[in-house]
This record gives sequence, C-alpha cells and structure tokens, in this order.
Amino acid sequence: QSALAQPASVSGSPGQSITISCTGTSSDVGSYKYVSWYQQHPGEAPKLMIYDVSKRPSGVSNRFSGSKSGNTASLTISGLQAEDEADYYCSSYTDSTTYVFGTGTKVTVL
Amino acid sequence: QITLRESGPTLVNPTQTLTLTCTFSGFSLSTTGVDVGWIRQPPGQALEWLALVYWDGDKRYNPSLRTRLSITKDTSINQVVLTVSNLDPADTATYYCVHSRLWFGDLLLFDYWGQGTLVTVSS
Repeated sequence: QSALAQPASVSGSPGQSITISCTGTSSDVGSYKYVSWYQQHPGEAPKLMIYDVSKRPSGVSNRFSGSKSGNTASLTISGLQAEDEADYYCSSYTDSTTYVFGTGTKVTVL
Repeated sequence: QITLRESGPTLVNPTQTLTLTCTFSGFSLSTTGVDVGWIRQPPGQALEWLALVYWDGDKRYNPSLRTRLSITKDTSINQVVLTVSNLDPADTATYYCVHSRLWFGDLLLFDYWGQGTLVTVSS
C-alpha cells in the first residue's frame, strides 16, 4: 500500500485559514469514512484531531474541521494560531483491512 | 484514564529480532470494538502503521512488513507484544503503541498513544 499524498508544507498568518489535502485512491480514502487526522508537535506523540472524516474528539478546538470529496480528504484550520504550528498526518482504512498514513505536512504560522 | 507504555531495548544489532511490549491501563482488550496496535516513525520521517490486534484476537499487519511482524496479546496482564524480525538499520525509529475503539459505527482511530520508544538498529 502506498502512503497517502500530502503537501510537504503549508503556511499561513495568524487568524487566517489553511487547508491540508490528503489524496489517496478508491481503495482507501475514496471508499471509507474512516479517515482521521493527527497533530504532532516536535518531540511529542501524535494527537487525534479528526476521526470519521469530520468528527472532533472531545477537547479538540472547533477551529479544526475535516471533509472529503472523492479520493481526497482535507483538514482545515480556521483562525490559525501559533500553537497550531506542527506536523499533521492523515490516515485511512484500506481495502486490505489495514491502515495507511499520509506523507505528512508541516504547518508554519508566519 | 487510558494510558499505554512501550518498553524494550533501545539498541539492537542488525539481523536480530526486536521484541517490544505495550503495557496499558484504563481499558480492557476484551471489550468489543477495542484494539491495540503499533506505529513507528523513523527520525525526521512520516508515521508508518505496523500492526494491530483486535479484542477478539483477530490481527492485521502492514502488507509491506507482513513476513517480519508478529503481534500477540495477553489480556490477563494488559499487554500487547510486537516482534520485528531480521532487523535492518532502516528499522531505526520511534515505536508507538496505540489504542483504537469502534463505538456505534464511529472509529476513534489511534485516539490514545504511548510516549514512544526509540529503537536504534546498529552494530
């Protein structure tokens, strides 16, 4: 299974909105609602931010939202804040009943 | 609250087998819908899903690593063990233990993580 494709980096100014894409295939992202997003700060374990394409776990800010169209899922961060600077990864269930991660995106707050 | 902790060697020789233990608390791996798995991250690189074991004993492996991985659970002592055989320096990574739960059709995938353990493969 190939890693899901994400842009290497995305940047924005405080208060702006940014969107990170996660492109897979009809064998993963395109066929299942089990797409999740994770935030990872340097030296820390990743944190679940979005599950089932667009649902937020308890405690996650509503500035984070997810969506999906075809084989591409997206994570949008609204009202960008300095603390949002981190690496972000998507993941998806696959036809092989396994999981695959994205290549990761570094978000920089300018 | 749910916690997971990884333990195992920090340095392993090439060609040897790595054995990592995940000790967890705050949930039972006998509960329907729960699974525990492993994910790794080479230094400066992306996350890679490795394997998981479900509450009913079913197991799943990364197809690219299937022949080298084995995952087992001991529900009585709240532990999951991952072995990785025939190690190569490319297996150098931080290895994370993770919890997931399928709840009324919602999949809280990798909702809890251990702090990770760095394993270096080198002679």
